[in-house]
Amino acid sequence: EPEVTQTPSHQVTQMGQEVILRCVPISNHLYFYWYRQILGQKVEFLVSFYNNEISEKSEIFDDQFSVERPDGSNFTLKIRSTKLEDSAMYFCASIKMGRENEQFFGPGTRLTVL
Amino acid sequence: AQSVTQPDIHITVSEGASLELRCNYSYGATPYLFWYVQSPGQGLQLLLKYFSGDTLVQGIKGFEAEFKRSQSSFNLRKPSVHWSDAAEYFCAVGATGGGNKLTFGTGTQLKVEL
Repeated sequence: EPEVTQTPSHQVTQMGQEVILRCVPISNHLYFYWYRQILGQKVEFLVSFYNNEISEKSEIFDDQFSVERPDGSNFTLKIRSTKLEDSAMYFCASIKMGRENEQFFGPGTRLTVL
Repeated sequence: AQSVTQPDIHITVSEGASLELRCNYSYGATPYLFWYVQSPGQGLQLLLKYFSGDTLVQGIKGFEAEFKRSQSSFNLRKPSVHWSDAAEYFCAVGATGGGNKLTFGTGTQLKVEL
């Protein structure tokens, strides 16, 4: 069964460094999402992406964050200058057209900012 | 704005006992409702969903949930819990219409005693 994949599974970085988290959504899905989960807290929406542009973003998704679908298969989340509070699990999700909101989640990338 | 409340942070049940996890939502129209399960270090797996129609929905692993509009609730149930059900359970609400974000509750950590 097709699934959403994410790389790396764990990323450790120094504060102030740029990180890129990668996701490969399911191939016939058209909406893409990033969520994050700070340890012990709930899953929070960051951004949704459709037709090569952001369709919605949360207050968390400030100028330090950006998303891109560079090659028609990958979907990336970039954090330009990481902060300690960016340490979290980041989940990618995607939706198949016609099955609105049935989001399929990837396994997540654990980002640790030191 | 949509929101989800899961009033129970931790629940402990004995293996073989029945289970009910509570979820209350706030949304101005008919919501899309979901239950996801997250095992330690893993991603989010969809257990079941409600979009419309029959208010009692069946999911994977023997779970079911009942949508009660009058109570704004979508409680998850299982008649007989297995030790492998120990995990964190998240209720989520999505706006009707394609491509919209999910709003998650804070989760309920389920512990199963043998």
